[in-house]
Amino acid sequence: IVMTQSPATLSVSPGESATLSCRASQSVSSNLAWYQQRPGQAPRLLIFGASIRATGVPLRFGGSGSGTEFTLTISSLQSEDFAVYYCQQYNNWPPYTFGQGTKLEIK
Amino acid sequence: EVQLVESGGGLVKPGGSLRLSCAASGFTFSRYTMHWVRQAPGREPEWISSIRSGSSYIYYADSVKGRFTISRDNAKNSLFLQMHSLRAEDTALYYCARDRTTLIGDNDFSGHVFDFWGQGTRVVVSS
Repeated sequence: IVMTQSPATLSVSPGESATLSCRASQSVSSNLAWYQQRPGQAPRLLIFGASIRATGVPLRFGGSGSGTEFTLTISSLQSEDFAVYYCQQYNNWPPYTFGQGTKLEIK
Repeated sequence: EVQLVESGGGLVKPGGSLRLSCAASGFTFSRYTMHWVRQAPGREPEWISSIRSGSSYIYYADSVKGRFTISRDNAKNSLFLQMHSLRAEDTALYYCARDRTTLIGDNDFSGHVFDFWGQGTRVVVSS
């Protein structure tokens, strides 16, 4: 299953909201996760089951969607939120597949 | 606190071998599915292998099948990746990652997402 993320880069001002998209080449039901990767760090699990926040993830991170279309919404952007975000499907495995990422940068 | 510490990376010539290790602490390692995920510079993560808690089920990505072997030593809380016939395209940061496994009684159920990651060990394949 090919995961496609858009846009490749998103420029948003702190305090505003960001909407990131992920599309699957075929249905993955709700078996979709989102990860955040800051420079020089390992990815961090944010969302699984398309909309369930992982332990310790702030409420400003929200996931939605099912089937082939998914969205990660980050409200009230903080400085630490500017990073690269990846989606990952785990409906048809192996392999588990990741999208190519969306870089969220400060406008 | 969950900790995963990888080691064993380095510079190796094409066709060479390396053995990566991951030392786990802060959780009951023996009950969790574990994964290796790699990330080439500027690229998305790439899942390469998984091993169930008791090593009963093992999976590989096609890109490494037949060349890499995953294993674990539950008594030593350690995960391993033996890599042979290395190629330039294997150059990446290799992460050990814990599966978001659900534990119910004596059973464990893989969650198929990666809830804790180490900091990675770098593998460079170059002549």
